Amino acid sequence: SAVISQKPSRDICQRGTSLTIQCQVDSQVTMMFWYRQQPGQSLTLIATANQGSEATYESGFVIDKFPISRPNLTFSTLTVSNMSPEDSSIYLCSVAPGLQNNEQFFGPGTRLTVL
Amino acid sequence: AQSVSQHNHHVILSEAASLELGCNYSYGGTVNLFWYVQYPGQHLQLLLKYFSGDPLVRGIKGFEAEFIKSKFSFNLRKPSVQWSDTAEYFCAVNARTSGTYKYIFGTGTRLKVLA
Repeated sequence: SAVISQKPSRDICQRGTSLTIQCQVDSQVTMMFWYRQQPGQSLTLIATANQGSEATYESGFVIDKFPISRPNLTFSTLTVSNMSPEDSSIYLCSVAPGLQNNEQFFGPGTRLTVL
Repeated sequence: AQSVSQHNHHVILSEAASLELGCNYSYGGTVNLFWYVQYPGQHLQLLLKYFSGDPLVRGIKGFEAEFIKSKFSFNLRKPSVQWSDTAEYFCAVNARTSGTYKYIFGTGTRLKVLA
């Protein structure tokens, strides 16, 4: 298993600003992921954070809007840039310690409200 | 494209009632199947998983799920629910897509158990 922490746990931001969310894991993991969970909806994968290379983004998500860093095997950041109210959501970090991306463990999430 | 369908968005039961939450997926290849639970104010936790072998899997807290390959289903069951089972339940499929394994989540089912 893996224990994941996220900072901040919640934030209220103004339109047009940016917020960086941090994800820390208690062990080295190859695969880290960032998800968005909008109100009343399921989890949507934003991107896979690769250590030592650029993140891999899913359809509908772009690096300019959601830049990701992965400086080492235990840490990643997701920035939500130039925010609008539509970005209000819970952002979740997850890891898959095993091979083949089996069994993901999720962080507690960051609840973001954009005014 | 792969998808996961959860047919019940909201379920209300009385304590001791039996529970069955439906989950169907669309993917022709090998899949790994999961049910996650999110209790109020807590983060996602793994309830149970199926990788291979016996299609009836048992998880924590008395939950079980049956993988029926011919029906592309992985329904969650519990013979007698408790008030503490009030939570949101997510079905997820892990399948190989474009060379990598990805999780696809269903839209979730909110279960409310009345004491």
